[in-house]
Amino acid sequence: NAGVMQNPRHLVRRRGQEARLRCSPMKGHSHVYWYRQLPEEGLKFMVYLQKENIIDESGMPKERFSAEFPKEGPSILRIQQVVRGDSAAYFCASSPPGHTYEQYFGPGTRLTVT
Amino acid sequence: DAKTTQPNSMESNEEEPVHLPCNHSTISGTDYIHWYRQLPSQGPEYVIHGLTSNVNNRMASLAIAEDRKSSTLILHRATLRDAAVYYCILRAPNTGNQFYFGTGTSLTVIP
Repeated sequence: NAGVMQNPRHLVRRRGQEARLRCSPMKGHSHVYWYRQLPEEGLKFMVYLQKENIIDESGMPKERFSAEFPKEGPSILRIQQVVRGDSAAYFCASSPPGHTYEQYFGPGTRLTVT
Repeated sequence: DAKTTQPNSMESNEEEPVHLPCNHSTISGTDYIHWYRQLPSQGPEYVIHGLTSNVNNRMASLAIAEDRKSSTLILHRATLRDAAVYYCILRAPNTGNQFYFGTGTSLTVIP
């Protein structure tokens, strides 16, 4: 059973470009979470999704950031018009229905904005 | 989200037990105590969680104070692979399932 997969592992974007980060949850998991980790800091919750629904986006910046988890395919975290402050590691986690106390994290995508 | 307080860093000798403390004096009666760890350049990894009673699993033990205002993660025999940042997290059952990570304790294991 493959773990949570994220791609790309490293992404470099120039200021003003768009960044698209993908997350494939573990098989059978219908809950996906996105977190952001700035250098030397802990992870900060961004958004919690189930298939085709955003359950909680209280940690998402109000502008430029969006997330989706379609019926088919991976979850996508999209950052429009990136700025240097968006440089961070973005982690996706998934959990199975009814066991949300145990989240399985992916290896992360390290975004660098130049 | 209730706060937790952990030491910034700790050291342990290889093959010795390690006790990682966490204070959570504002914990509410329904908050679960979770521990995750993050190895260098990896995503966090679940370690253990509990509510009131002490818990044991293959990775570690969790000792919870009687008043629940503190807890201790116990690694029975530290290995080099246990070098990581350890996060103590409180989670209320009805908060949408997200975790609130602090800065954690960076554990160094000395060979």
